[in-house]
Amino acid sequence: QPVLTQPPSVSGAPGQWVTISCTGSSSNFGAGYDVHWYQQLPGTAPKLLIYGNSNRPSGVPDRFSGSKSGTSASLAITGLQPEDEADYYCQSHDSSLSGSVFGGGTKLTVL
Amino acid sequence: QVQLVESGGGVVQPGMSLRLSCAASGFTFSSYGMHWVRQAPGKGREWVAVIWYDGTQKYYADSVKGRFTISRDNSKNTLYLQMNSLTAEDTAVYYCVRCPSGTDNWYFDLWGRGTLVTVSS
Repeated sequence: QPVLTQPPSVSGAPGQWVTISCTGSSSNFGAGYDVHWYQQLPGTAPKLLIYGNSNRPSGVPDRFSGSKSGTSASLAITGLQPEDEADYYCQSHDSSLSGSVFGGGTKLTVL
Repeated sequence: QVQLVESGGGVVQPGMSLRLSCAASGFTFSSYGMHWVRQAPGKGREWVAVIWYDGTQKYYADSVKGRFTISRDNSKNTLYLQMNSLTAEDTAVYYCVRCPSGTDNWYFDLWGRGTLVTVSS
């Protein structure tokens, strides 16, 4: 079982707003470690979407935003576009495991 | 261009060994910590190992500790993963990833396409 918990799927219509949750614990988010988010389009390598809870790498549209509070984090996507249809993963560091941990991934479907 | 290209995957019998390579290009390889991350079929991603930018420190997931060895050759811009005593549970796509973070808030800003390792008799 993944250490970080994500919903298996979310969906939304073009132009709408969706959020993807990522739930951790006291040994990762609760210990102050950041959350990072990745997007993986079918057949491609994962792409860093958000790092350090809420920072966007150069080139990532501001439609994507991230936040973290306590032992939970979320990724918000506004103005959904068909090309946003992909798998999204959260990731953090875990002090009890002394390594990185990932969520199980969330498949976003743009209706 | 900036990229990571893994190689060395394949089908191997339980108990055997395999060495993965990851060729880096388009950036100063020796300035970055590098990791291996794997994803088994139908399962989530699992962090495997990290090596510091200068190779001085290495850390492993408990699931591979004592069996896998991460190394790098900065003169060849190449990352390696030596995998020994392989089991079916090691079957996965192995990704080479770059980490720009200088703290343990690791995150990965560049991923390879992955190489598939299948452990089967």
